Amino acid sequence: QSVLTQPPSVSGAPGQRVTISCTGSSSNIGAGYDVHWYRQLPGTAPKLLIYGNNNRPSGVPDRFSGSKSGTSASLAITGLQAEDEADYYCQSYDSSLSVSWVFGGGTKLTVL
Amino acid sequence: EVQLLESGGGLVQPGGSLRLSCAASGFAFTSYAMSWVRQAPGKGLEWVSTLSGSGGNTYYADSVKGRFTISRDNSKNTLYLQMKSLRAEDTALYYCAKEFGGYYEDWGQGTLVTVSS
Repeated sequence: QSVLTQPPSVSGAPGQRVTISCTGSSSNIGAGYDVHWYRQLPGTAPKLLIYGNNNRPSGVPDRFSGSKSGTSASLAITGLQAEDEADYYCQSYDSSLSVSWVFGGGTKLTVL
Repeated sequence: EVQLLESGGGLVQPGGSLRLSCAASGFAFTSYAMSWVRQAPGKGLEWVSTLSGSGGNTYYADSVKGRFTISRDNSKNTLYLQMKSLRAEDTALYYCAKEFGGYYEDWGQGTLVTVSS
């Protein structure tokens, strides 16, 4: 059971907009810690997609955006493309009990 | 260009030991905290351990505390993970990752650890 909760799967047609939620608690997202997002294409290492809640690293298209509110965060992808089909993970920091960096369980995005 | 190259994975029996290495290049190694993140087959990402740039501060997930030791040799730009008392549930692809601001800017390709008799 992951500390951050993501839907196991989402889907959308090419050109559509999809969102992936990441729900935490008062010891992580709700405590003010930043949320970061990664994309993992099949058989490859994760790649940073969004950092600091809503910032895109160089090279990441502006179709990808992040937001955070309260104890949750979201990743939005607009203009869905076939190559967006991948696993997406949120990540934050949790201060309960001991120091730890935490990930969501991951969401499989299927482009229909 | 940042490069992180993991090595040292393999098949080990339960209770055995293994040392993973991560050779880093393309950035000022001593200026960055480094982490190990693992992914069990077909599962999600799990943070394992983090080491500060100076090597003075170490952090471990509860699942590996007391069994794994993270270290670095800044003269060789190399990160290590010494794993002892390995269990079946430690079977995973182990990624080395460069950390900045609480997130992982760069990742290696991973090295596979299989714990099985």
